Amino acid sequence: DAKTTQPTSMDCAEGRAANLPCNHSTISGNEYVYWYRQIHSQGPQYIIHGLKNNETNEMASLIITEDRKSSTLILPHATLRDTAVYYCIVRTTSGTYKYIFGTGTRLKVLA
Amino acid sequence: NAGVTQTPKFQVLKTGQSMTLQCAQDMNHNSMYWYRQDPGMGLRLIYYSASEGTTDKGEVPNGYNVSRLNKREFSLRLESAAPSQTSVYFCASGQTGGYGYTFGSGTRLTVV
Repeated sequence: DAKTTQPTSMDCAEGRAANLPCNHSTISGNEYVYWYRQIHSQGPQYIIHGLKNNETNEMASLIITEDRKSSTLILPHATLRDTAVYYCIVRTTSGTYKYIFGTGTRLKVLA
Repeated sequence: NAGVTQTPKFQVLKTGQSMTLQCAQDMNHNSMYWYRQDPGMGLRLIYYSASEGTTDKGEVPNGYNVSRLNKREFSLRLESAAPSQTSVYFCASGQTGGYGYTFGSGTRLTVV
């Protein structure tokens, strides 16, 4: 599975959009981009995933560049409860389905 | 709908003791996973089971064994606990087709 690179930490003002970048320059054609978050020491929570088209759900939007070498997770109106570590992962949807987590981005939403 | 249930939530072991961490899911998922998370670190995959009856090693399998008892249950065993195994252990389950995993709330293990 391809590796990802994320900034170590970011701050965002409450109510503003939080844009979390992820670089996955070695992604292959059959690999999806997944985003999870981990609030405090809870188990990670699935947010969203996509292949090449932009995706949106009730939690966030995922923007994937045309060459698929990077992506951005957007939380449109960040709240204090969005303070968490956000993980970007790439993997195939066939075979063993296992994720390899990196160290993620620690997002702090400021009041 | 409980999702993924892990027991126990907390455990303290002495070096050399053994124990089994239990995990059960009620979502009819095919695949199940065990991760560990050390302080300030990301999650590392210990073992996984792609389907009932199969298990495979992940990134850090040494010192652990697993059993996929049935489709619902996937246990992790420490035969002889070491202080280096002090960590938070997360179990997860997932379905084929690319959907996201569901994680349990974790077992906080301290080996003294």
